[in-house]
Amino acid sequence: DTAVSQTPKYLVTQMGNDKSIKCEQNLGHDTMYWYKQDSKKFLKIMFSYNNKELIINETVPNRFSPKSPDKAHLNLHINSLELGDSAVYFCASSQGGGTPQHFGDGTRLSIL
Amino acid sequence: AQRVTQPEKLLSVFKGAPVELKCNYSYSGSPELFWYVQYSRQRLQLLLRHISRESIKGFTADLNKGETSFHLKKPFAQEEDSAMYYCGLQWASGSRLTFGEGTQLTVNP
Repeated sequence: DTAVSQTPKYLVTQMGNDKSIKCEQNLGHDTMYWYKQDSKKFLKIMFSYNNKELIINETVPNRFSPKSPDKAHLNLHINSLELGDSAVYFCASSQGGGTPQHFGDGTRLSIL
Repeated sequence: AQRVTQPEKLLSVFKGAPVELKCNYSYSGSPELFWYVQYSRQRLQLLLRHISRESIKGFTADLNKGETSFHLKKPFAQEEDSAMYYCGLQWASGSRLTFGEGTQLTVNP
């Protein structure tokens, strides 16, 4: 009964392709996030949505576009993939207001 | 702006030795501080939050506002503690969680 689930777990694709990563949470949380963990294990927030509304949008190339069809889902679409996009992408959710975040298992994206 | 610093990228100790993972922060308001742990190729999991003041898996962390620190400590390290540890800072009333660079702890037998 996974609380925050991401699909796919692994994604291997070629430069220039467009791909999506899906995230769903069954915790009833209002806020969802996307983080990028690079090869040096540095973890940085990319986006945050609260009740389907974008509230955090860090300096991320506009090739990355989050979409939240409802508050239980936050998908990440990436256009024109580049080598530097290779990373592990984590989805997370929380009730907001300083409460702890619950993370998914991550999606390991490898660009050939 | 809020910032979190973990000065040690790598930390190696022997089993049974004390361990301290350092975390310093800069933030002008009332921070919420957390420690998250990531075991090899697994998801991040919450380990501790400063307001709960509890001990999890033998780890404790005390918020020192004077030194703006939130160091993670364990008196006797175990091999299963080997993992990546991230210190995180969040606004008391907001949602942005800023992580430090992470410290890879290795506990040797």
